[in-house]
Amino acid sequence: AQTVTQSQPEMSVQEAETVTLSCTYDTSESDYYLFWYKQPPSRQMILVIRQEAYKQQNATENRFSVNFQKAAKSFSLKISDSQLGDAAMYFCAYRSSDSNYQLIWGAGTKLIIKP
Amino acid sequence: GAVVSQHPSWVICKSGTSVKIECRSLDFQATTMFWYRQFPKQSLMLMATSNEGSKATYEQGVEKDKFLINHASLTLSTLTVTSAHPEDSSFYICSARVGGRAGANVLTFGAGSRLTVL
Repeated sequence: AQTVTQSQPEMSVQEAETVTLSCTYDTSESDYYLFWYKQPPSRQMILVIRQEAYKQQNATENRFSVNFQKAAKSFSLKISDSQLGDAAMYFCAYRSSDSNYQLIWGAGTKLIIKP
Repeated sequence: GAVVSQHPSWVICKSGTSVKIECRSLDFQATTMFWYRQFPKQSLMLMATSNEGSKATYEQGVEKDKFLINHASLTLSTLTVTSAHPEDSSFYICSARVGGRAGANVLTFGAGSRLTVL
């Protein structure tokens, strides 16, 4: 069975600085999808970024980028120029290519932005 | 973009009563919706997969008679917590798959419903 591990329960970063959130996963599959979701205090889950495993190029979305290391089964999220609005819980998630869109979730990392 | 509307956002009820939570896809059709439960400071726990026109698929350990799911149309799924008790108090979230090329492989989430059972 697949698992997703986020080893950092909480991270803090100074506003405008860069922070990296870690995520590792375990799977025997070669084709899958990885996601980072953000859950701010409003508790609305928001997709931050996604990565298809068959793509070697790391996904980027403005200030958000990932470091996808398929062999190491690592999928870290880098947030550049951190802003106060980035404060939230960040969840890493895995989806098998042949699943019914069910996600396997990490435990989450709480990101604190220091002004 | 695709929007999933979840209602109510917050509900308080007395023990023994039933509560219905609605999840609507506003600008797309959702053949599959997912219902999650989230405890404080924890990740999402998948409760069931709701399929339009058929019975929901429940995860192991989730009482199907307690948590009734109905997906009667392509835009609406409902979760009814029957005979609610204080231990059912939680945050419930629905999500739907956004179809088409633009939404490939993406789930869109409702804003969640906080249930408090007194």
